[in-house]
Amino acid sequence: AQTVTQSQPEMSVQEAETVTLSCTYDTSESDYYLFWYKQPPSRQMILVIRQEAYKQQNATENRFSVNFQKAAKSFSLKISDSQLGDAAMYFCAYRPNNAGNMLTFGGGTRLMVKP
Amino acid sequence: DVKVTQSSRYLVKRTGEKVFLECVQDMDHENMFWYRQDPGLGLRLIYFSYDVKMKEKGDIPEGYSVSREKKERFSLILESASTNQTSMYLCASSSGSTRDGTQYFGPGTRLTVL
Repeated sequence: AQTVTQSQPEMSVQEAETVTLSCTYDTSESDYYLFWYKQPPSRQMILVIRQEAYKQQNATENRFSVNFQKAAKSFSLKISDSQLGDAAMYFCAYRPNNAGNMLTFGGGTRLMVKP
Repeated sequence: DVKVTQSSRYLVKRTGEKVFLECVQDMDHENMFWYRQDPGLGLRLIYFSYDVKMKEKGDIPEGYSVSREKKERFSLILESASTNQTSMYLCASSSGSTRDGTQYFGPGTRLTVL
């Protein structure tokens, strides 16, 4: 069974600084997707960024980028120029392409942004 | 924009009651999911459906059932609520394409069972 591990239950960052959230996963598959979702306090969970395993180039979405290390099974999220609105729970998720659309989630990291 | 709505944001029920949680999506998505979210455990899949009247068990189906009579609506049923089912419940939907598996989430229902 696949597992996704987020080893940092909580992180904090100063506004305008950069922070990296860690995620590792365990799989024997070679073709899969990885996702980072953001869940602000009392608000809807939204997709931040996703990475296709067969693409070597790291995905980037504005201030959000990933460091995808396939051999190490590592998928970290870097948030640059942190803003107060980045404060949220962040979940890493994995989906193999041969298993329909089922996602396996990590336990989440709570990010606090200090003004 | 994809919109996934859930019938209640907060719900308080008594032990033994039958509870219905409703989810509706407006993007004609084939797949719909029910998750349970607990601190430190992330999201755990309860049930999912890939078509009308079709359902598959997820990781923690015990104590739950589901119904999908129409494509846009997916219901989660707690036949006899228990205190250990106090949790946040999230509904999600996704396209049936095997490549585009992005899931879109509803706002969640925080259920308290007394």
